[in-house]
Amino acid sequence: KQEVTQIPAALSVPEGENLVLNCSFTDSAIYNLQWFRQDPGKGLTSLLLIQSSQREQTSGRLNASLDKSSGRSTLYIAASQPGDSATYLCAVRPGADKLIFGTGTRLQVFP
Amino acid sequence: EAGVTQFPSHSVIEKGQTVTLRCDPISGHDNLYWYRRVMGKEIKFLLHFVKESKQDESGMPNNRFLAERTGGTYSTLKVQPAELEDSGVYFCASSKNRGQETQYFGPGTRLLVL
Repeated sequence: KQEVTQIPAALSVPEGENLVLNCSFTDSAIYNLQWFRQDPGKGLTSLLLIQSSQREQTSGRLNASLDKSSGRSTLYIAASQPGDSATYLCAVRPGADKLIFGTGTRLQVFP
Repeated sequence: EAGVTQFPSHSVIEKGQTVTLRCDPISGHDNLYWYRRVMGKEIKFLLHFVKESKQDESGMPNNRFLAERTGGTYSTLKVQPAELEDSGVYFCASSKNRGQETQYFGPGTRLLVL
């Protein structure tokens, strides 16, 4: 049974720091992995999608890596800003369809 | 292009009542998914439609939950009768194709059963 774990559960940092959020999964047989952001009371915004054959994806200040064999992904946020404050969710797709989510990392970036 | 929309945004009902949630996927997206997050837990898959057909309903908790997608457009999720443990946030997502594509999520419906 696929399980997804995210560490840390919460993180509070000053503006400008570079951050690494971690995601681990127990079964390496995945189609892809997706990172989302959720703002309080809002839906999920897709940040990055990494296919199983890829090692990393980049979008602006965000970089996500995938090491499928070890069951790990990291989301790197460069030069963090207060607007980055949100909950970050990692989800793996074991087959063609459903996503399996981790419990998330709640990030606060203070000025 | 409009995103995934869900209605209502919030619903407060009493135990034993019926509630129907609606999801309108992105136009042209054949795949529609329902997920939910109950208090303190991770988001969990409920079911998946391809057009009007249920592809996978392995996550549906019990027979008090009924999902439909008549005509392959919008979908409804009915809970009847609602129980306290059904409280949570119900999310809908859609994608054009299966497999390698991003799933786009709606804002969710926050359900509170008293």
